[in-house]
Amino acid sequence: DQQVKQNSPSLSVQEGRISILNCDYTNSMFDYFLWYKKYPAEGPTFLISISSIKDKNEDGRFTVFLNKSAKHLSLHIVPSQPGDSAVYFCAASVANAGGTSYGKLTFGQGTILTVHP
Amino acid sequence: ETGVTQSPTHLIKTRGQQVTLRCSSQSGHNTVSWYQQALGQGPQFIFQYYREEENGRGNFPPRFSGLQFPNYSSELNVNALELDDSALYLCASSLAGIDEAFFGQGTRLTVV
Repeated sequence: DQQVKQNSPSLSVQEGRISILNCDYTNSMFDYFLWYKKYPAEGPTFLISISSIKDKNEDGRFTVFLNKSAKHLSLHIVPSQPGDSAVYFCAASVANAGGTSYGKLTFGQGTILTVHP
Repeated sequence: ETGVTQSPTHLIKTRGQQVTLRCSSQSGHNTVSWYQQALGQGPQFIFQYYREEENGRGNFPPRFSGLQFPNYSSELNVNALELDDSALYLCASSLAGIDEAFFGQGTRLTVV
């Protein structure tokens, strides 16, 4: 039972263009969402998060959008750079009393992003 | 500030053997989570330790066990290894109540 799904195994984008990575979830209990980036031979690195009380969160070139009714979130990278080429994981969690994650994350399968110069 | 470090980086074991993987948390972090990442899949939550107590467990059998020490470092033990246990094992540390979990580089376990 895949509670978090990333249906696109890969995405190829030209440098300078927008990259849009998508993620769907099925568990209504999830109320905190995160994106991680992973390079080969390294552990995942935290990128950006969003609480279910928001529908958008921005951090520099990265923006995450949350559509609770559709149980869908997306990560936008603008402009895309070759150094952004990596595997991107969407993760979901139940928020703790402080409104952040307990750290017990449910991950999607990942999307391989390739940004061409 | 030191990051999360895991040892060993690679390991080959025989089916039926036991293995212990180690994780040193990021300085100041009191929570450690372990994940299993099979090839082509996302990481799967195994369990979490908070202040030396198990604080939640994913869908893994009891032969997966763990420990957290007073300095917040942690061990993952797997008994009676099976071929399907071959995977990348990731440790993540965090400070309870803070959203970011910082991951180590992982231990690649191969069971033959």
